[in-house]
Amino acid sequence: EAGVAQSPRYKIIEKRQSVAFWCNPISGHATLYWYQQILGQGPKLLIQFQNNGVVDDSQLPKDRFSAERLKGVDSTLKIQPAKLEDSAVYLCASSLDRAGGTDTQYFGPGTRLTVL
Amino acid sequence: DQQVKQNSPSLSVQEGRISILNCDYTNSMFDYFLWYKKYPAEGPTFLISISSIKDKNEDGRFTVFLNKSAKHLSLHIVPSQPGDSAVYFCAAPARGLHGPPNNDMRFGAGTRLTVKP
Repeated sequence: EAGVAQSPRYKIIEKRQSVAFWCNPISGHATLYWYQQILGQGPKLLIQFQNNGVVDDSQLPKDRFSAERLKGVDSTLKIQPAKLEDSAVYLCASSLDRAGGTDTQYFGPGTRLTVL
Repeated sequence: DQQVKQNSPSLSVQEGRISILNCDYTNSMFDYFLWYKKYPAEGPTFLISISSIKDKNEDGRFTVFLNKSAKHLSLHIVPSQPGDSAVYFCAAPARGLHGPPNNDMRFGAGTRLTVKP
């Protein structure tokens, strides 16, 4: 079974530029998550989708960050314009969305963003 | 608001010995906890979990202990192996088992474990 795919793996941009990250979850996984992991910190949830609907985006800085999951499969996360403090690893995860109880998240390798 | 805290950024142990990684939480609503393991250049992978109705959960060499009164949990690895060297994250869904799975997952900052041969 293929894992969660993310691209690009690394990206360097200047502040005020735009950037987009792509995620392809594990086939059949209904729920998709985007996390931001700043160096020295744990991952922080940005947005959670169930199929193509948003479950939680309370921690997404909506003035500059946007995300979509068209057709309930792939997802893109965009930052426009980027700030220095956006330098982080952006992790995508997916889960099967079993009814009730626990539901293991599977993470992709992440995209390391450096904003200069 | 950091509701899950891992106060030790690093831990070094000898191969064959016990590794104990600690985690504290502040939100008494948390009722489910997970440990993730992360190797460099890879995403975190799920390791073990525990529900608040238990005080211990064991899976092979890995055991998680939960002390609800102290709002503290720990991960024990016995015996430790060099391949266990990684960053370990403690996490909890903010709405616990009563919310959607993995809801608003809160992660600690991680502890880097080094197991020396």
